[in-house]
Amino acid sequence: GAVVSQHPSWVICKSGTSVKIECRSLDFQATTMFWYRQFPKQSLMLMATSNEGSKATYEQGVEKDKFLINHASLTLSTLTVTSAHPEDSSFYICSARDRGLRLQETQYFGPGTRLLVL
Amino acid sequence: DQQVKQNSPSLSVQEGRISILNCDYTNSMFDYFLWYKKYPAEGPTFLISISSIKDKNEDGRFTVFLNKSAKHLSLHIVPSQPGDSAVYFCAASVLNSGGSNYKLTFGKGTLLTVNP
Repeated sequence: GAVVSQHPSWVICKSGTSVKIECRSLDFQATTMFWYRQFPKQSLMLMATSNEGSKATYEQGVEKDKFLINHASLTLSTLTVTSAHPEDSSFYICSARDRGLRLQETQYFGPGTRLLVL
Repeated sequence: DQQVKQNSPSLSVQEGRISILNCDYTNSMFDYFLWYKKYPAEGPTFLISISSIKDKNEDGRFTVFLNKSAKHLSLHIVPSQPGDSAVYFCAASVLNSGGSNYKLTFGKGTLLTVNP
């Protein structure tokens, strides 16, 4: 149980285009999903917290107009990188928190999406 | 300012021996600590966690120790197996200002290599 999927796993796009990444909790309902990015040999940096049915909360320094997050259902959150530039190339990982768990701190992570902007 | 620190970027141990991965934190508000294992190009996999009210939690070969006064935790893996070779992330959580979400702060990770 507690499987989180991400799609696509790899994406290569031209500078200036927008890219949408999907995050799904497959066997549980997630009221909260988190979006991270990871640069090589660095830790996972939280970008935003996404709550179902409400606006996402962005971390300091993350542009909300550039990284659009939508959490339309209890099993799906999307991250759209708008007008992508080469510096947006990174590994993007989502995680979901199972609403049914009493110990709500445990997050289950997706496999990640590698974005390369040319 | 890094609130969760893993000062050893890598660790190499022999199969069958104990692996000890260390983690230090600076934020005394952290109330829950987790260890994740990560393979390249994959998302982290939850391993084990510990609440700030405990000082030890054990799950099979994995044991996490928490020393609150020293703001230090460690993950012990015994016996170590080659399949344990991966990057291990320490993470800590604190109730955010909204009062409803626990967000995780990660260390940079330690690459563990278990040699046959």
